[in-house]
Amino acid sequence: DIQLTQSPSSLSASVGDRVTITCRASQTISPYLNWYQQQPGKVPKVVIYAASSLASGVPSRFSGRGSGTDFTLTISSLQPEDFGTYFCEHSYSTPYAFGQGTKLEIK
Amino acid sequence: EVQLVQSGAEVKKPGESLKISCKVSGYSFTSYWIGWVRQMPGKGLEWMGIIYPGDSDPRYSPSFHGQITFSADKSVSTAYLQWSSLKASDSAMYYCARQYCGGGSCHFDYWGQGTLVTVSS
Repeated sequence: DIQLTQSPSSLSASVGDRVTITCRASQTISPYLNWYQQQPGKVPKVVIYAASSLASGVPSRFSGRGSGTDFTLTISSLQPEDFGTYFCEHSYSTPYAFGQGTKLEIK
Repeated sequence: EVQLVQSGAEVKKPGESLKISCKVSGYSFTSYWIGWVRQMPGKGLEWMGIIYPGDSDPRYSPSFHGQITFSADKSVSTAYLQWSSLKASDSAMYYCARQYCGGGSCHFDYWGQGTLVTVSS
């Protein structure tokens, strides 16, 4: 089964900062990699799918890139509503799996 | 409007059985896979598996295979997740989500509100 490892596990940043989160797969999965945001007490929502496609309604400050086994999620200018936990997920073959999450906190 | 509405919170004792539901509306129930995701308190998301309501074909994560059962009832557009014998370690929030697939890539595009399951003696 394919495992996903996110880094860092937690990240402290300020409003306006540019932040990047990494997700590494145990084997090639390109481009079947999604990113979800979960704010505290809320339901997860997709922000990026198929590695680089912006989900409907998601601001353009979010972007995703990567191929093979290495993928990144970048937020170009952090806004207060962007804080929360981000999870990557692969959909290369079942069983799909999530990364362990990256908690993005306010500095 | 696509909606997935899950059944309410449950409090059960170890060894009891449980079936929680996910009723969908606003799209063709039989045309999309439905997934189930576990989130234990303060922890991350865990992919439990998916079911295709069109033919009730399930795909389980090895971590959950044999511990849970997925089912779907087309007549009421509802997917189910059930346990035959709960353990305290099954205490968690459980989400259902619609899986959208396009161009070979799949992701969960709509989510239920979650069902909190508490198992305690």
